[in-house]
Amino acid sequence: KAGVTQTPRYLIKTRGQQVTLSCSPISGHRSVSWYQQTPGQGLQFLFEYFSETQRNKGNFPGRFSGRQFSNSRSEMNVSTLELGDSALYLCASSPPGGPWNEQFFGPGTRLTVL
Amino acid sequence: AQTVTQSQPEMSVQEAETVTLSCTYDTSESDYYLFWYKQPPSRQMILVIRQEAYKQQNATENRFSVNFQKAAKSFSLKISDSQLGDAAMYFCAVIIQGAQKLVFGQGTRLTINP
Repeated sequence: KAGVTQTPRYLIKTRGQQVTLSCSPISGHRSVSWYQQTPGQGLQFLFEYFSETQRNKGNFPGRFSGRQFSNSRSEMNVSTLELGDSALYLCASSPPGGPWNEQFFGPGTRLTVL
Repeated sequence: AQTVTQSQPEMSVQEAETVTLSCTYDTSESDYYLFWYKQPPSRQMILVIRQEAYKQQNATENRFSVNFQKAAKSFSLKISDSQLGDAAMYFCAVIIQGAQKLVFGQGTRLTINP
């Protein structure tokens, strides 16, 4: 089975721009979560989608949004980029069954905001 | 809210020796799950081991085992017979029943000395 894939792997943007990151979960996984990883704040939960619905949301401003499609692929969008948005954005998918299940992580998208 | 604390930013161990990584957490929930994830340099995060809070027996996975002390809210990871491939960032995380949201500690960078 193919693992979680994320595109693009690297992005460079300037302040004020917007960006869209994509995540394709493992086949059969319907839950997709997004995390932001920075040296200062560590790993922080952004949001989680299941069957096209946002089920959980972290403490991030409204500039961060996401969606999930009927094939479980997910996108996250960051508008009006700030320097502090520079981070590794990780996507994770998990099979049905609840929080006990392992979350399978993708390689991440490295976003640099100049 | 849940919090996870890893008090050891860095650890090092000689190859073939045993090392223990510490983790404490705080949650008011009674139903939760604990995980150790490993993030090798420039590679994807993978699950090392997991523990259900209601289980008293400590989880083991080959060379990896945990010491779960529920009353003390402590969840340490022991790596036996350390190998060079164990070098990575190790993250302790908690997830509560009903929420697909991992809360991570700040991580411990483990170095294996040959």
